[in-house]
Amino acid sequence: TQLLEQSPQFLSIQEGENLTVYCNSSSVFSSLQWYRQEPGEGPVLLVTVVTGGEVKKLKRLTFQFGDARKDSSLHITAAQTGDTGLYLCAVRYGGSQGNLIFGKGTKLSVKP
Amino acid sequence: DSGVTQTPKHLITATGQRVTLRCSPRSGDLSVYWYQQSLDQGLQFLIQYYNGEERAKGNILERFSAQQFPDLHSELNLSSLELGDSALYFCASSTSGGPTGELFFGEGSRLTVL
Repeated sequence: TQLLEQSPQFLSIQEGENLTVYCNSSSVFSSLQWYRQEPGEGPVLLVTVVTGGEVKKLKRLTFQFGDARKDSSLHITAAQTGDTGLYLCAVRYGGSQGNLIFGKGTKLSVKP
Repeated sequence: DSGVTQTPKHLITATGQRVTLRCSPRSGDLSVYWYQQSLDQGLQFLIQYYNGEERAKGNILERFSAQQFPDLHSELNLSSLELGDSALYFCASSTSGGPTGELFFGEGSRLTVL
């Protein structure tokens, strides 16, 4: 059983559309991170959320941490081709010094 | 550029062989992590070192081993290779392992076992 379940697994949309991807768990976490991985590269941190109900914005990307700190969502407004990539959520497992565990990711393709 | 350097970028070898993957962390980072990424399993944590000492182990096979040297670079050794070991292997580094610490990833080493 995966600690973090991400949905959808794959998403293909046209430029200009909005989308939301999800990261869910039955466990409670002190913080959660979102990374984006582009083809041929390693993941890059987008944001860290630490407070239940917290909303963070990064240009057209809006991240929300669930009130119970078990889930998170990433909403992209007016997607661009440059948003194409694998979106991964990650949490520390085993306490604050624990390892960073990743979900399997949502592979987003934005077509022109 | 994350500042994390991995070599080699690509490696093709045969079953039963042994390979070594190398990682140089960002300047000043004491923690090094190794991850394996495959299509079906996603990004799987293998092992973490902090300032030369093993800190945590994940789903690392007994055929795999790693170490971190005094200059903080790290090596991941994979032996008795099997077809299923074909994957992308990432190294990441961080300043500390705190709850909100960011991991900086290298570009990965793509291993193909034939």
